[in-house]
Amino acid sequence: AQRVTQPEKLLSVFKGAPVELKCNYSYSGSPELFWYVQYSRQRLQLLLRHISRESIKGFTADLNKGETSFHLKKPFAQEEDSAMYYCALSGGSASKIIFGSGTRLSIRP
Amino acid sequence: DAGVTQSPTHLIKTRGQHVTLRCSPISGHKSVSWYQQVLGQGPQFIFQYYEKEERGRGNFPDRFSARQFPNYSSELNVNALLLGDSALYLCASRPGQRTEAFFGQGTRLTVV
Repeated sequence: AQRVTQPEKLLSVFKGAPVELKCNYSYSGSPELFWYVQYSRQRLQLLLRHISRESIKGFTADLNKGETSFHLKKPFAQEEDSAMYYCALSGGSASKIIFGSGTRLSIRP
Repeated sequence: DAGVTQSPTHLIKTRGQHVTLRCSPISGHKSVSWYQQVLGQGPQFIFQYYEKEERGRGNFPDRFSARQFPNYSSELNVNALLLGDSALYLCASRPGQRTEAFFGQGTRLTVV
């Protein structure tokens, strides 16, 4: 079964603390993994994708095929990082995107 | 660039009615996908259209249908509305089938 699991519905950390949002996936084949972010009153937007290996807004994510994980990390959280984060995968000819249930990240001042 | 635009932004319908949601993709984008997002969950894939042909369908009943027009805009139709169809409906466009998806603001459908 194709599935994305985000075990934490809410993650609250202090400004300046490290952040790790967990994501595990189930997919037979080689999926493409993404992190999408939704800031308050804004549309869902792509944060990063594993194939580009970029660091966006200080966030990085490493694909671990052995553990089927794609955790999102940032060494020092900023208040503007408060948002809803969705891990997602895409694969196959239909190119549909399968989303996790999301983690709300709250950064405390 | 206006981005992906969806209309209407909010809609209230009664059980059993029919609804049509509209999406205009970013200029030049040929792929349009529809997602349903129920409160507290991530978006669920409904349909993908590319070059006016259906290229993928999610696990939704036949009451859900869609189409893509020659200008690549798209409509999502839902017949015989149920209370459980209340959700945010998102449209996403992509320049190609396997490129970055750009999402609209969504249409909030409430079925009463």
